[in-house]
Amino acid sequence: GAVVSQHPSWVICKSGTSVKIECRSLDFQATTMFWYRQFPKQSLMLMATSNEGSKATYEQGVEKDKFLINHASLTLSTLTVTSAHPEDSSFYICSASLDSYNEQFFGPGTRLTVL
Amino acid sequence: AQSVAQPEDQVNVAEGNPLTVKCTYSVSGNPYLFWYVQYPNRGLQFLLKYITGDNLVKGSYGFEAEFNKSQTSFHLKKPSALVSDSALYFCAVRDTRGSTLGRLYFGRGTQLTVWP
Repeated sequence: GAVVSQHPSWVICKSGTSVKIECRSLDFQATTMFWYRQFPKQSLMLMATSNEGSKATYEQGVEKDKFLINHASLTLSTLTVTSAHPEDSSFYICSASLDSYNEQFFGPGTRLTVL
Repeated sequence: AQSVAQPEDQVNVAEGNPLTVKCTYSVSGNPYLFWYVQYPNRGLQFLLKYITGDNLVKGSYGFEAEFNKSQTSFHLKKPSALVSDSALYFCAVRDTRGSTLGRLYFGRGTQLTVWP
């Protein structure tokens, strides 16, 4: 099956710093990647949809200047949490898809803790 | 708009007993339905999907789901539960048209606990 990786798997940072999370599709080319946020024991909240080579589409209420998404190649998308604060602490999950018609394959997630 | 509902936050069953995790859906157009499982601090793993065809869909790890159009339900089932099935289960529906094509809408999740 299709494999999606995320790096790092966990990160602890100080308030005010920026953190970059990578999402890679290892054995297929992903035209579309999705970024989700999940709070403890809650469902996944879609943050943004990114298509390779174009700007990400952010969901309502998600600050695009705070959560920078780059999808520069067909196998890599990055999420940068800028000027992180404790309330940004969460589990971030990405998924990748061949295109909008195909199913999503999920990464293992990244646990972000902001002190 | 597409949506799914998982009416139970928690399901508890004894090992060896059958299990059911409920999901109902509301869609415009044909439903593309999915079940995913999540273990602690892990991403989502795909279990099964319904696109078209037989109403009974068989998936990974012995799970199956029955698509019921009249009841707009897509309940997840397994004939004999294992302790290792204990996890968080998500039902999802996918947008099949428009600007949000491909987007998944998740239920709130159901925590399944299987007791030895």
